[in-house]
Amino acid sequence: EAQVTQNPRYLITVTGKKLTVTCSQNMNHEYMSWYRQDPGLGLRQIYYSMNVEVTDKGDVPEGYKVSRKEKRNFPLILESPSPNQTSLYFCASRPTSTDTQYFGPGTRLTVL
Amino acid sequence: GDSVTQMEGPVTLSEEAFLTINCTYTATGYPSLFWYVQYPGEGLQLLLKATKADDKGSNKGFEATYRKETTSFHLEKGSVQVSDSAVYFCALNRNYGGSQGNLIFGKGTKLSVKP
Repeated sequence: EAQVTQNPRYLITVTGKKLTVTCSQNMNHEYMSWYRQDPGLGLRQIYYSMNVEVTDKGDVPEGYKVSRKEKRNFPLILESPSPNQTSLYFCASRPTSTDTQYFGPGTRLTVL
Repeated sequence: GDSVTQMEGPVTLSEEAFLTINCTYTATGYPSLFWYVQYPGEGLQLLLKATKADDKGSNKGFEATYRKETTSFHLEKGSVQVSDSAVYFCALNRNYGGSQGNLIFGKGTKLSVKP
């Protein structure tokens, strides 16, 4: 089944404890992206990647890192999480041949 | 910069009522326009899209027409069902420079349909 998977789905952590949220897609898509969803703000893009080893900042990149060493994986790294990073995070992917993105199920992160 | 504005929610309707969710946009160039739907506890799913002016996207009884003259992409459905209860997001893709394909979303409109 073609899909975007994220792990974990739920995470509660404490300020300053490094964490990684994984994202994987099995559709051989070149483009991948991370968004955060906050009430009243909709979805905002954090980082995106046009292909392996090519990443760029989105609209709200502060406090986040990403890497794209393999085509299928695009992990989101929070080196020192803070409470204002409490949010619902979505990973998405698409092939370069289309502008339709496919979203993962989301990761709900709480930073205490 | 590019932006999407959609009507504030929540919207509460009775089953079989007519639905309109307004969406307007500001964009450089000629973006594609999208409606995504998020059912409770799930990720976003593409509902419909339109890629150029006067195109009509449609799916599951929902429709939206790309209106360049009014920079709008309003979502409509003639008769809603309880199962349509969800959050609806209007979005456009940035289509210039190095940002091709990056989506800009509206804030979302929560729809509740009562039996």
